[in-house]
Amino acid sequence: KAGVTQTPRYLIKTRGQQVTLSCSPISGHRSVSWYQQTPGQGLQFLFEYFSETQRNKGNFPGRFSGRQFSNSRSEMNVSTLELGDSALYLCASSPGTSTRFYEQYFGPGTRLTVT
Amino acid sequence: AQSVTQLDSQVPVFEEAPVELRCNYSSSVSVYLFWYVQYPNQGLQLLLKYLSGSTLVKGINGFEAEFNKSQTSFHLRKPSVHISDTAEYFCAVSDRAGGSYIPTFGRGTSLIVHP
Repeated sequence: KAGVTQTPRYLIKTRGQQVTLSCSPISGHRSVSWYQQTPGQGLQFLFEYFSETQRNKGNFPGRFSGRQFSNSRSEMNVSTLELGDSALYLCASSPGTSTRFYEQYFGPGTRLTVT
Repeated sequence: AQSVTQLDSQVPVFEEAPVELRCNYSSSVSVYLFWYVQYPNQGLQLLLKYLSGSTLVKGINGFEAEFNKSQTSFHLRKPSVHISDTAEYFCAVSDRAGGSYIPTFGRGTSLIVHP
């Protein structure tokens, strides 16, 4: 099975712009989670989608949003970019069945740099 | 809310020596426990998991971990490390009783293997 894919892998944006990141989960996985990873804060949970519905949300401002499509692919959007948004954004997919909800399989990440 | 403490931010060790990476979590009745590894410029890869049953869990690449409920710990061990084990290691905990299975991650431990 192909793993989790994320596009683009690298992105450079300017303050005030917006950005959209994409994630394709492992085939058959219905849950997709997004994380922000920075040296200062570590791994922080953004949100999780299951069957096109946001099921869990972390403690991030409304500038961070996401969605999931019927094929389980997910996008996250960050509007009005700030310098502090520079980070590695990781997507993780999960089987979404019984205890296997808890197993997460990560993509390689999108490195976002805001200048 | 669950919290995860990885006691060592960095662990240097010589090749072929044993290593232990420590992880403690806040008290909970029932948890699922995970260790992930992250190589440079990559996403997180699941090393091993404890869901139930035997408290000694074996994972990939010769790693193992032991769940100790009384000490709320889940330390990762390897009897003989290789240069290729140099990476960042993350402990994660999902609180089964908390209603959300989204894992909480520790801040990570950088394992540095010297020749």
